[in-house]
Amino acid sequence: DAGVIQSPRHEVTEMGQEVTLRCKPISGHNSLFWYRQTMMRGLELLIYFNNNVPIDDSGMPEDRFSAKMPNASFSTLKIQPSEPRDSAVYFCASSAPDRGYGYTFGSGTRLTVV
Amino acid sequence: GEDVEQSLFLSVREGDSSVINCTYTDSSSTYLYWYKQEPGAGLQLLTYIFSNMDMKQDQRLTVLLNKKDKHLSLRIADTQTGDSAIYFCAERDTGRRALTFGSGTRLQVQP
Repeated sequence: DAGVIQSPRHEVTEMGQEVTLRCKPISGHNSLFWYRQTMMRGLELLIYFNNNVPIDDSGMPEDRFSAKMPNASFSTLKIQPSEPRDSAVYFCASSAPDRGYGYTFGSGTRLTVV
Repeated sequence: GEDVEQSLFLSVREGDSSVINCTYTDSSSTYLYWYKQEPGAGLQLLTYIFSNMDMKQDQRLTVLLNKKDKHLSLRIADTQTGDSAIYFCAERDTGRRALTFGSGTRLQVQP
C-alpha cells in the first residue's frame, strides 16, 4: 500500500488566491482527518469524515476554509481567499479499526501564503 | 474539553534509555498513542495501548499507563541517534474518532 498520499508537497501562493490541497486515503480506511500544524498552535484538527460524511468541522477556522470528500478515495481542503496566517503544514490522515484506530498520516503539504 | 500535556524537550546520550512522559485529562479515553515525527515528514504511529492495559512492550519500546493518575510514558531502550525526533502523545475518547494530540517532546540523542 502506498500509504496516505497528499499533493502538492509544497505550495507557495499570493494572498487572496485560492488554494486546493488533495488527499488520497488508504484503501479500506473509512475515516479521514485534516489537521494543521504550526509552531505556535501545534496540531489542530480541522475536520473529519466518516464514510465520506463530514462529522465534525468545528475546527475549521472560518468560512474561507471548506473540505469535501466526494468518494472514499479522495478528499480536498480548499482555502479561498488565502491569507498569510494560513501558512502551515496541512496533514491528511486516515484510519480504520485495526491498530486501535490509530491514524496513518500523509507527508503533508507545506503552504506558504505571501 | 480534552487536554494532553507533554514536556517540550529531552536530551539523552546514545545507548541510554529515554523516558517521555504525557498527562491527559479525559477520563473516558479508550486508546492512547505514541507518534514519532522526523523533520519534513508526517507523524508515524509507533505504538498504542488500550485503556484497560497498564503496560505494553514492543521491541525497544515500553509504554506504561497509569489510568488513575492519567499518566502515560514511553520508554525507549538503548536510544540511538536515529531516534532523534519529536514524539507526540495522543488520546481517543469513547465514541469520538478524532485524536487529541499533545504539543510534542523533542528528543535529542547525543553521540
